Amino acid sequence: EDKVVQSPLSLVVHEGDTVTLNCSYEVTNFRSLLWYKQEKKAPTFLFMLTSSGIEKKSGRLSSILDKKELFSILNITATQTGDSAVYLCAVGGSQGNLIFGKGTKLSVKP
Amino acid sequence: DTAVSQTPKYLVTQMGNDKSIKCEQNLGHDTMYWYKQDSKKFLKIMFSYNNKELIINETVPNRFSPKSPDKAHLNLHINSLELGDSAVYFCASSLMTGYYGYTFGSGTRLTVV
Repeated sequence: EDKVVQSPLSLVVHEGDTVTLNCSYEVTNFRSLLWYKQEKKAPTFLFMLTSSGIEKKSGRLSSILDKKELFSILNITATQTGDSAVYLCAVGGSQGNLIFGKGTKLSVKP
Repeated sequence: DTAVSQTPKYLVTQMGNDKSIKCEQNLGHDTMYWYKQDSKKFLKIMFSYNNKELIINETVPNRFSPKSPDKAHLNLHINSLELGDSAVYFCASSLMTGYYGYTFGSGTRLTVV
């Protein structure tokens, strides 16, 4: 059965810290891996990764995929309270659906 | 000018009732989805439609029935509601099947009492 596992499930840090969120997967017919941020409502798209070793960056956030070891990491540097959210990792399956992990709840304290 | 809109945003109802959630997208996307997010924030696919045709029908009780009158609309009807149906239901759309750049609606929080 396809699965996506995220760790840690929750994390509490202080502003200015750097965090690394992990996502491993076992999915037949892997297509892409995506990261989403979910605050109170709908998940909002962060990154889509298709190729190994190519880092994607957006401001203080960056992510990389390792297709050989079947995992991805999401890094957030110089965290701010506005980064507090649940971060979801999802893998695209062969039927076009996204298979989600259970998320990492990040709390950034001032 | 909401891209994917769901109604209602909140729904509180008694066990045994029948209810519907509506979803509309104005992005011109071909594929639409229903996802269920449980109390532990776990998002799981329920259904997907591509241009009115059912593509994915995951193992959900047959009390749940999706309907897609056209490619811009995907509604979810739930019969004989149970306590365990309480969750947030998200509608999403993507350009086509296999394109993972989803746009999510803001969700419908269903509470069955």
